[in-house]
Amino acid sequence: AQSVTQLDSQVPVFEEAPVELRCNYSSSVSVYLFWYVQYPNQGLQLLLKYLSGSTLVESINGFEAEFNKSQTSFHLRKPSVHISDTAEYFCAVSTRSGGYNKLIFGAGTRLAVHP
Amino acid sequence: NAGVTQTPKFQVLKTGQSMTLQCAQDMNHEYMSWYRQDPGMGLRLIHYSVGAGITDQGEVPNGYNVSRSTTEDFPLRLLSAAPSQTSVYFCASSTTRDAAYTDTQYFGPGTRLTVL
Repeated sequence: AQSVTQLDSQVPVFEEAPVELRCNYSSSVSVYLFWYVQYPNQGLQLLLKYLSGSTLVESINGFEAEFNKSQTSFHLRKPSVHISDTAEYFCAVSTRSGGYNKLIFGAGTRLAVHP
Repeated sequence: NAGVTQTPKFQVLKTGQSMTLQCAQDMNHEYMSWYRQDPGMGLRLIHYSVGAGITDQGEVPNGYNVSRSTTEDFPLRLLSAAPSQTSVYFCASSTTRDAAYTDTQYFGPGTRLTVL
């Protein structure tokens, strides 16, 4: 069965510092990969996704993620974080199983940006 | 557009009570789904629907029922609440079933349910 592992449950970081949120997945077939963000007391929002093509994907707010097939990883990075980036981040793999589509989510990484 | 809306935001039930969590979307999306979010476990799919009148089970369907009489609404019913159903419930929608596989799912703000 496919699974997603987010290696850090919490990541504290100071404002303007770089950050990397790690995500590994297990799959023997082609996958589609996503990062979703959940701001406090809100639902999840799509941050970025990898479907095919360039292995480096970017979001509009400065995050980027690189698909690494050999390492089965899809780590999320930002060179300089802001207080407003404080949120929980979920890595997800899209798959078809038993005839239906589903997103398999990691457990989440809580990013806390401190001034 | 309001997007995906959910009511109520908070609910406390006693064991054995029943209730319905409401979900509505105004984007004319065909695909709708319910997830539950538990600490340290990410989100898990409960039920989904690929259009009005068509529903199916996800990975954790036991104890929940759904129906889809209109494109806009996708309520989730708890038949006899149990403490194990204490969770945060999210409704999500996507343009089509295939889009749910490769494209964005739009999530509602969630319902926080506590079962005593």
